[in-house]
Amino acid sequence: DSGVTQTPKHLITATGQRVTLRCSPRSGDLSVYWYQQSLDQGLQFLIQYYNGEERAKGNILERFSAQQFPDLHSELNLSSLELGDSALYFCASSVSPQMDEQFFGPGTRLTVL
Amino acid sequence: QQQVKQSPQSLIVQKGGISIINCAYENTAFDYFPWYQQFPGKGPALLIAIRPDVSEKKEGRFTISFNKSAKQFSLHIMDSQPGDSATYFCAAVNTGGFKTIFGAGTRLFVKA
Repeated sequence: DSGVTQTPKHLITATGQRVTLRCSPRSGDLSVYWYQQSLDQGLQFLIQYYNGEERAKGNILERFSAQQFPDLHSELNLSSLELGDSALYFCASSVSPQMDEQFFGPGTRLTVL
Repeated sequence: QQQVKQSPQSLIVQKGGISIINCAYENTAFDYFPWYQQFPGKGPALLIAIRPDVSEKKEGRFTISFNKSAKQFSLHIMDSQPGDSATYFCAAVNTGGFKTIFGAGTRLFVKA
């Protein structure tokens, strides 16, 4: 158990809908990262927040957004969902903003029908 | 270029054998190279990592070899066990430029 929690574990929704994924980092970690894992694209870095501020952006679509709250938990919002958005979404956390020593949560499996 | 090329895609090793997974990167700005282990239905778990100022790092049965001039690094699993059967991902991180690129993954199966 990495200490990173993610909810929900599974999410099934329809195209065009909007969903919110939630992540609580390990105690003491200030950085939160979001990743998408799909069969054809592998693990793709989406976005990083450090202590409430956006720190780095990866391959995140404009339909997706994230934020980190004062208690350091983070939410990833996915809107106008398409079939191709079906994937595993992982949150990771680390102490520093340097992207090293990341600890991953168990993931949220999103299925868009 | 930002790619990290990982090989092989899959690997079958006998119990007690050595598993070797290779990764190559192109961007010399990467300065942190972790390996992650992922079991089905779980998130990736940090296994071992190396920085480019050393050529080798060993933790238990796991060793990273790093060749800075060739821009390659590899994971060696000594005395491979069935419990090591998992997918392994390498990654390259530019800690100053805030970029993380993962390899495509290697599915390892250790036969008992």
